[in-house]
Amino acid sequence: SQTIHQWPATLVQPVGSPLSLECTVEGTSNPNLYWYRQAAGRGLQLLFYSVGIGQISSEVPQNLSASRPQDRQFILSSKKLLLSDSGFYLCAWTAWTGINTEAFFGQGTRLTVV
Amino acid sequence: RKEVEQDPGPFNVPEGATVAFNCTYSNSASQSFFWYRQDCRKEPKLLMSVYSSGNEDGRFTAQLNRASQYISLLIRDSKLSDSATYLCVVNKGGTASKLTFGTGTRLQVTL
Repeated sequence: SQTIHQWPATLVQPVGSPLSLECTVEGTSNPNLYWYRQAAGRGLQLLFYSVGIGQISSEVPQNLSASRPQDRQFILSSKKLLLSDSGFYLCAWTAWTGINTEAFFGQGTRLTVV
Repeated sequence: RKEVEQDPGPFNVPEGATVAFNCTYSNSASQSFFWYRQDCRKEPKLLMSVYSSGNEDGRFTAQLNRASQYISLLIRDSKLSDSATYLCVVNKGGTASKLTFGTGTRLQVTL
């Protein structure tokens, strides 16, 4: 079966420090991968998606970047964190069920920038 | 106008009540629709897909009205364990199947 791993679960980082969040998927090949952010009391915002190795699309201009060095690995990074980068970061992959596409999420990383 | 709009709630209902949530979407070309459930401080999980003909899963019924561009979720005989945030999700389709999430409707079921 397919599983998605995301770490760390929680992170407290000072303003101006770098960030690296990692996500890996098991049990599937060539998945579409996504990074979402959920700010406190707000909905999920799509940050990046990737349809293959080295292929990254950004949905919103921001202080973050993403990379996909391997088929089942998706990394979210920042060189210098801002206070506004605080939030709940979720990695996801999508699967075609034969009827429609469903998204499956990692357990999320709760980032607090102080 | 937001791509997906939901009433944020909260909806406070007693156990056993029936509650309905609505969601509207702006892109008429949207291809597929879902309801996700998100518990506090957890990741969203798929509750059910929404099909044009409407579909039911136990106490949950989902409906889609393409002409009016809205989706609904009906929960019958509410349980305490139904307390969560319900997210309306729309897929515009295409290569990457980008899912657009509503901000969610908070449900609190009480004794």
